[in-house]
Amino acid sequence: NAGVMQNPRHLVRRRGQEARLRCSPMKGHSHVYWYRQLPEEGLKFMVYLQKENIIDESGMPKERFSAEFPKEGPSILRIQQVVRGDSAAYFCASSPLGTGVPNEQFFGPGTRLTVL
Amino acid sequence: AQSVTQLDSHVSVSEGTPVLLRCNYSSSYSPSLFWYVQHPNKGLQLLLKYTSAATLVKGINGFEAEFKKSETSFHLTKPSAHMSDAAEYFCVVSERASGGSYIPTFGRGTSLIVHP
Repeated sequence: NAGVMQNPRHLVRRRGQEARLRCSPMKGHSHVYWYRQLPEEGLKFMVYLQKENIIDESGMPKERFSAEFPKEGPSILRIQQVVRGDSAAYFCASSPLGTGVPNEQFFGPGTRLTVL
Repeated sequence: AQSVTQLDSHVSVSEGTPVLLRCNYSSSYSPSLFWYVQHPNKGLQLLLKYTSAATLVKGINGFEAEFKKSETSFHLTKPSAHMSDAAEYFCVVSERASGGSYIPTFGRGTSLIVHP
């Protein structure tokens, strides 16, 4: 059973370009979480999705950031018109259960975004 | 509102000596608490979790943590450090948000350094 997969592992973009980060959850998991990790800091929650639904996006910046988890295919975190401050490691996690249970999340290896 | 404080940004020990990584939390309700480990350029791996059962929780790789409600602490310990334990450790508190989902809050992390 493959773990959570993220691609690309490293992504370099110039200011103003778009960044698309992909996350394939573990088999059988229908809940996906996205986090951002800045240097020397812990992970900051961004968004929690189930298939075709955004459940909680309280950690998402109001502009330029969006996320989706379609019925088929991976979850996508999209950052439009990237700025240098978007440079960070972005982690995806999945779980088999969602609301109502404080359950373990399984993390992917992360995508390291560098904005030049 | 929930928060978590990891009291040490770096902890340095010699191989074979005990490890203590400190974590204090703040939570409005009965929290669930987790410790994750992150090795360089890898995703996070769950070490152990507390979800209102036994206050002394045993995890993988010889780690354990004790939930002390009176002290609002959840310190991570290991009797004897191994070189492979060198990594970043995150304490996490999770409680139900207003929307009904459990959203975790991560500490800033403690870097464990193990000397031969």
